[in-house]
Amino acid sequence: TAGITQAPTSQILAAGRSMTLRCTQDMRHNAMYWYRQDLGLGLRLIHYSNTAGTTGKGEVPDGYSVSRANTDDFPLTLASAVPSQTSVYFCASSEWGDYGYTFGSGTRLTVV
Amino acid sequence: AQKVTQAQTEISVVEKEDVTLDCVYETRDTTYYLFWYKQPPSGELVFLIRRNSFDEQNEISGRYSWNFQKSTSSFNFTITASQVVDSAVYFCALSEAILTGGGNKLTFGTGTQLKVEL
Repeated sequence: TAGITQAPTSQILAAGRSMTLRCTQDMRHNAMYWYRQDLGLGLRLIHYSNTAGTTGKGEVPDGYSVSRANTDDFPLTLASAVPSQTSVYFCASSEWGDYGYTFGSGTRLTVV
Repeated sequence: AQKVTQAQTEISVVEKEDVTLDCVYETRDTTYYLFWYKQPPSGELVFLIRRNSFDEQNEISGRYSWNFQKSTSSFNFTITASQVVDSAVYFCALSEAILTGGGNKLTFGTGTQLKVEL
């Protein structure tokens, strides 16, 4: 089934440790995004990439980094996790000019 | 800046009742899209509907209907004869003009938790 694959599904991480959330799409969409979902705040954009080789900052980029080495993969890295990064993380993709998104199934991250 | 407001944090209804979820948006763009997503307890985000700013025709799809009114910047969602399986968090979202370089940003409301009880 075409779509977005996120891994891991869930993770418990010690504060101060680093971690990379993986995201892979097979639709050849140009644009990809990372959102975090927190209770009472909805989904907020962390980083985005309009095309391979480019990235941009969203609303809440601090503490996160991304890379886009190719069209399909868009990993999100937490260099030194803090408890406030406990959240559900969604990866998404879209084609240019298409205002809709395809979402992954999410990664639930708990930083303790 | 774009903004989406879902004033209803939580709604509880009894099965078979009709329920309307409210969404008010703010944007300076003349071209934009509005969305409703459903997030059931399993956690995935399920796309329900997309409407562009030039199409105010309201739509009915089975038990779902949508009321888009540009004059009041509202995009409300109604479930007729609600069922327990409708219990979920519902998000309204607004698509911003293309981000520099080609992508687009979705701005989400904070969500409305709908509980349908027997």
